[in-house]
Amino acid sequence: DAKTTQPNSMESNEEEPVHLPCNHSTISGTDYIHWYRQLPSQGPEYVIHGLTSNVNNRMASLAIAEDRKSSTLILHRATLRDAAVYYCILRDYSGGSNYKLTFGKGTLLTVNP
Amino acid sequence: DAGITQSPRHKVTETGTPVTLRCHQTENHRYMYWYRQDPGHGLRLIHYSYGVKDTDKGEVSDGYSVSRSKTEDFLLTLESATSSQTSVYFCAISEQVPNTEAFFGQGTRLTVV
Repeated sequence: DAKTTQPNSMESNEEEPVHLPCNHSTISGTDYIHWYRQLPSQGPEYVIHGLTSNVNNRMASLAIAEDRKSSTLILHRATLRDAAVYYCILRDYSGGSNYKLTFGKGTLLTVNP
Repeated sequence: DAGITQSPRHKVTETGTPVTLRCHQTENHRYMYWYRQDPGHGLRLIHYSYGVKDTDKGEVSDGYSVSRSKTEDFLLTLESATSSQTSVYFCAISEQVPNTEAFFGQGTRLTVV
């Protein structure tokens, strides 16, 4: 299965941009890059996903390297409510028509007031 | 919010007793997943299902079994609970294609004493 590598933790100040990196050097051509986040005491929630091109939505932006071996989740103005664990995952194709959803340990983002 | 419900939300049980956790969805999604989350380990996949009566193992399946007799229900059973299975369990659902988001339940906190 294709794996991702993220820093264990990062820190940011409120209202400043945050760039959360993810390495996925063994990504296959058909893997989508997904980002989820998990707020304290909650289940993970979807943030954004992409394949090759950069993506924007109301929550964040996703910048994907040209060789697709890395990506960066960008929070344009961090708020205290963005403090969470952020997971970068790849949608694995595990054979036939089956798709696993495998998580790593993620990055714990701390936002300082 | 996506229609996904876990029950019970909290349970305390004794070592050696059987325990069943239920995940119920109203979204008619094909894929359903069970994860456990422990400090320092992130989310680890236990089992997943890609259709009625179609299931497969994840990375930490020992001691767990699952069943899916209906599209909307995915049951996780601990045949004989052990203290090492004390954890927070999350259920997730997704469509078959990898470019769609997954939705998570709120979690079940299981304590085995």
